[in-house]
Amino acid sequence: EAGVAQSPRYKIIEKRQSVAFWCNPISGHATLYWYQQILGQGPKLLIQFQNNGVVDDSQLPKDRFSAERLKGVDSTLKIQPAKLEDSAVYLCASSLGEGRNGYTFGSGTRLTVV
Amino acid sequence: AQSVTQLGSHVSVSEGALVLLRCNYSSSVPPYLFWYVQYPNQGLQLLLKYTSAATLVKGINGFEAEFKKSETSFHLTKPSAHMSDAAEYFCAVTEGTGGFKTIFGAGTRLFVKA
Repeated sequence: EAGVAQSPRYKIIEKRQSVAFWCNPISGHATLYWYQQILGQGPKLLIQFQNNGVVDDSQLPKDRFSAERLKGVDSTLKIQPAKLEDSAVYLCASSLGEGRNGYTFGSGTRLTVV
Repeated sequence: AQSVTQLGSHVSVSEGALVLLRCNYSSSVPPYLFWYVQYPNQGLQLLLKYTSAATLVKGINGFEAEFKKSETSFHLTKPSAHMSDAAEYFCAVTEGTGGFKTIFGAGTRLFVKA
């Protein structure tokens, strides 16, 4: 089966600019997750979707981050305006159900804010 | 709320030696436990999972982990390290109260010396 697709792989922007990441999960996976992984740390959940509804966005900095999952398939994560501390790898993952059997991750997007 | 502690941010072993990566968790209910591996510039890949069946879990690439409830541990082992095992390893716990939420540890980087 095809894996979780993410684009772009790398992005360099200046602070205060905006950026968007795209994710296409494994076909049939109802749950989609966006994680932020800062260098040297474990992934931190930003937002979790069940189909096209938000299950958990408690750690999403909503003043600058937004995400949507239209039609319950692919998803976009946007940052506007970006700050230096947003430099990280943004990982998308999906799971068939609620994640009790683990997730399948994409390769991530490495964002550098200068 | 659940939490995960990985003891040792870096572990170095010689090729052919035993690999032992430590993970302790806290959870108010029986947890689901996972180990993931991350190679450079890639996403996380599921190594193995504990979902309340057998306490000794076997995964891919010769890795296994043992769930010890009394010690709240889920340490990852491999009898004989190979150069290709050099990567970052993440322990994760999923708790099912009020919706399934997964927390990742900070990671342990494994170095394998020739």
